[in-house]
Amino acid sequence: DSGVTQTPKHLITATGQRVTLRCSPRSGDLSVYWYQQSLDQGLQFLIQYYNGEERAKGNILERFSAQQFPDLHSELNLSSLELGDSALYFCASSAGTVRETQYFGPGTRLLVL
Amino acid sequence: DQQVKQNSPSLSVQEGRISILNCDYTNSMFDYFLWYKKYPAEGPTFLISISSIKDKNEDGRFTVFLNKSAKHLSLHIVPSQPGDSAVYFCAASSSDHINTGTASKLTFGTGTRLQVTL
Repeated sequence: DSGVTQTPKHLITATGQRVTLRCSPRSGDLSVYWYQQSLDQGLQFLIQYYNGEERAKGNILERFSAQQFPDLHSELNLSSLELGDSALYFCASSAGTVRETQYFGPGTRLLVL
Repeated sequence: DQQVKQNSPSLSVQEGRISILNCDYTNSMFDYFLWYKKYPAEGPTFLISISSIKDKNEDGRFTVFLNKSAKHLSLHIVPSQPGDSAVYFCAASSSDHINTGTASKLTFGTGTRLQVTL
């Protein structure tokens, strides 16, 4: 158990809908990262938050947004969903210092029908 | 542009033998490298890491070697066990010292599926 929790574990929705994925980092970690893993692909970095502020952006679509709240949990919002958004979405957390390990949650499997 | 490459999508090794998983990178700014193991329906689990100031790091059966001049790292598992069967991801990051003093995102390879047979 990494200490990172993600809810829900599974999500099935229709095209055009909006969903929210939630992540609680390990106790004491200030940085939260979101990654997307599509079928048979590596993990693609989406966005990073550090202590409530956006720190870095990767290949995140404009239809996607995220935020980190004062209690350090984070939410990833996916809107106007398309079939191609079906993927595993992972959250990771770290203390936020350099050369450190990111610890991953179990992921949310999103299926868009 | 794939900055971290794992050119072998799969590897099969007999139990008790050595497993060697390889990873190449192109970005010379990367200074921290990690290996993660992933089982189906689970998140990646951290295995071992190495800083660019070292060329070897060992933890039990797992050893990571870094060759900076070749921009290559490898993970050795000795002896391999059936429970090691999983997908192994190589990842790299660069320290964003100037701007934030914090670590940046991880860039992942596409993974190597290791099968340890009896």
